[in-house]
Amino acid sequence: EAQVTQNPRYLITVTGKKLTVTCSQNMNHEYMSWYRQDPGLGLRQIYYSMNVEVTDKGDVPEGYKVSRKEKRNFPLILESPSPNQTSLYFCASTARPDLYNEQFFGPGTRLTVL
Amino acid sequence: RKEVEQDPGPFNVPEGATVAFNCTYSNSASQSFFWYRQDCRKEPKLLMSVYSSGNEDGRFTAQLNRASQYISLLIRDSKLSDSATYLCVVTRGGTSYGKLTFGQGTILTVHP
Repeated sequence: EAQVTQNPRYLITVTGKKLTVTCSQNMNHEYMSWYRQDPGLGLRQIYYSMNVEVTDKGDVPEGYKVSRKEKRNFPLILESPSPNQTSLYFCASTARPDLYNEQFFGPGTRLTVL
Repeated sequence: RKEVEQDPGPFNVPEGATVAFNCTYSNSASQSFFWYRQDCRKEPKLLMSVYSSGNEDGRFTAQLNRASQYISLLIRDSKLSDSATYLCVVTRGGTSYGKLTFGQGTILTVHP
C-alpha cells in the first residue's frame, strides 16, 4: 500500500529536550516536505527536499532541522523545542511539486512542548 | 497580505444546496493549483487539481482565473459527507520552485 508514515503520532515533551519526528514514504517520490498546522494559520511549510541531500527552507524553518540521506526518509529534528513549537505536524511526498501531482500526507504528529 | 487567502467560513448549508468557495493568491508566478479536503485534523487529501481550462469531477467544479488571481470550487447537491475543511493550495515557480502555500481553509458543514 502506497503511504507516508510518521512517528510518533503523539508526543509530549519538555522545553529543550531534543526530539526527532520520522517520516518515511514507499512511493519512490523525489519530493518530501514538512508542514505545521496551527489554528487560524492553516498549514505552513517548514522545510522541503527536492531529492537526496537537497533540502531548502519553507516559510517557517526557524527552530527546525531536516536531513535527506535516503530517498524514502525525511526526519524533522527539533534541537531545542520550545512551547511555540506545539503544533500538529504533517509530512508529505510527491513525485514533483510543479506538475499536477498529488501530495500524499502522513497521518500527522501532535506535538506538545511544555 | 497573505499569499493565499480563503474565506474561513464556516459555511452552513442544507443537504442538496450548492455552495461555492473562492481563494485568491498574490504571487503571479504561481504554477499549480489544487483543492484539498481535510477532515477533523486528519491529513489533507487531494480533492481536485485546478486547470486553466477549468475542470469538473462529479458534483465538484474547479475554476482558475489567472488574470484576477483566484480559484474557485463549486459543490453541487451537497451531501452530509461533504462536511470538512477545504484547503486551497498553490505551488510556486521560478526561484521558489518547490514551495507550496496553503490557504487557511474554509469550513463547510452540511446539515440535514
